[in-house]
Amino acid sequence: EVVLTQSPATLSLSPGERATLSCRASESVITYLAWFQQKVGQAPRLLIYDASKRATGIPARFSGSGSGTDFTLTISSLEPEDFAVYYCQQRYNWPPVTFGGGTKVEIK
Amino acid sequence: EVQLLESGGGLVQPGGSLRLSCVASGITFTGYIVNWVRQAPGRGLEWVSGISDGDGNTYYADSVKGRFTISRDNSKNTLYLQMNSLGPEDTAVYYCVKGGRATNQVFDFWGQGTLVTVSS
Repeated sequence: EVVLTQSPATLSLSPGERATLSCRASESVITYLAWFQQKVGQAPRLLIYDASKRATGIPARFSGSGSGTDFTLTISSLEPEDFAVYYCQQRYNWPPVTFGGGTKVEIK
Repeated sequence: EVQLLESGGGLVQPGGSLRLSCVASGITFTGYIVNWVRQAPGRGLEWVSGISDGDGNTYYADSVKGRFTISRDNSKNTLYLQMNSLGPEDTAVYYCVKGGRATNQVFDFWGQGTLVTVSS
């Protein structure tokens, strides 16, 4: 099973700042990695798939990069609505599809 | 507007059974792999099961294998999850999630979830 480790667990930032979230895989997933945003009481929403492709309707301030075992989600300038929990997910070696443990982006 | 609407959750005693359903509107399940993903209270996301179209292959997490059965009815645009021998560890919000074509597991649409609580 591919284990995804996200860091940091919590990121405390102010609106307008840049957020950099990390996801490390226990083995290569090529670029078959996605990022999701989840707000309290809501279902997750797909932001990025295949490491760097923005999903439909996702603002350009969200970008993804990486390949192999190391991936990054960057939010270039945090908007108030971006404070949420973010998960990475791999679909290269499945079953099982696996998720990271999440990074909470909170207001500083 | 694409909507996935889950139902069938509720309170069940340990050892009991439940059947979840997910009806899609604004989109067809035909040709796509569809899945169940769960989230225990205050915890992260866990993929539970998936079913492809065409060959109807089914896939399960080890934690539910032998207890849960996934199925689909494309004529009703509906996904199901039969859950047997439920334990407290199965308590979670269960999300219906649409994947991509064939076995392309890009989770692009999620339902709002249905809560399953296993407790005596």
